[in-house]
Amino acid sequence: DGGITQSPKYLFRKEGQNVTLSCEQNLNHDAMYWYRQDPGQGLRLIYYSQIVNDFQKGDIAEGYSVSREKKESFPLTVTSAQKNPTAFYLCASSTKPIAGRQFFGPGTRLTVL
Amino acid sequence: DQQVKQNSPSLSVQEGRISILNCDYTNSMFDYFLWYKKYPAEGPTFLISISSIKDKNEDGRFTVFLNKSAKHLSLHIVPSQPGDSAVYFCAAKRPNTGNQFYFGTGTSLTVIP
Repeated sequence: DGGITQSPKYLFRKEGQNVTLSCEQNLNHDAMYWYRQDPGQGLRLIYYSQIVNDFQKGDIAEGYSVSREKKESFPLTVTSAQKNPTAFYLCASSTKPIAGRQFFGPGTRLTVL
Repeated sequence: DQQVKQNSPSLSVQEGRISILNCDYTNSMFDYFLWYKKYPAEGPTFLISISSIKDKNEDGRFTVFLNKSAKHLSLHIVPSQPGDSAVYFCAAKRPNTGNQFYFGTGTSLTVIP
């Protein structure tokens, strides 16, 4: 089955700790994305990557970091510099260069205590 | 700054009737629009799209209408079915920005049997 997996589904961390969220896809998509969803807000783009070893900041990149060493994987690290890290995080991928549908993973809910 | 807005957080419709979900945007440069559907504990899934060169796109029970002068997008579902109960997000992108989309806040649709 082709798709996007995110793990874990729920994640709890203490304030001040860095945490890495996993995102893996076997759709052979070139582009991958990380979004954040907060109550009452739309999905906001954190980072995206159009190709391996390259990525760009989205609208709310501060306090986050990413890497794209493999086509299949796009992990997101939430650093201690992120002021409000508690949120629902969604990873997505799409075929480049065709604009259009992005395929989303099931999401990870991060709670920082 | 929310560039894509869905002003109705929720909508209830009787089974068999039409569901109309609305979306407004502020950026006249947006040239491509999508609707996503999201069930609880799952990632959004693509539903239907429309390019700014069109004013209507239809796919089965789903039709998207675009009114560029009003900067308004709507999704019609006819006839509505209980399985359509989900949160619906609209999204928009500017030209030449890769696949970077701006999402609305979502409308929760409940179809009553």
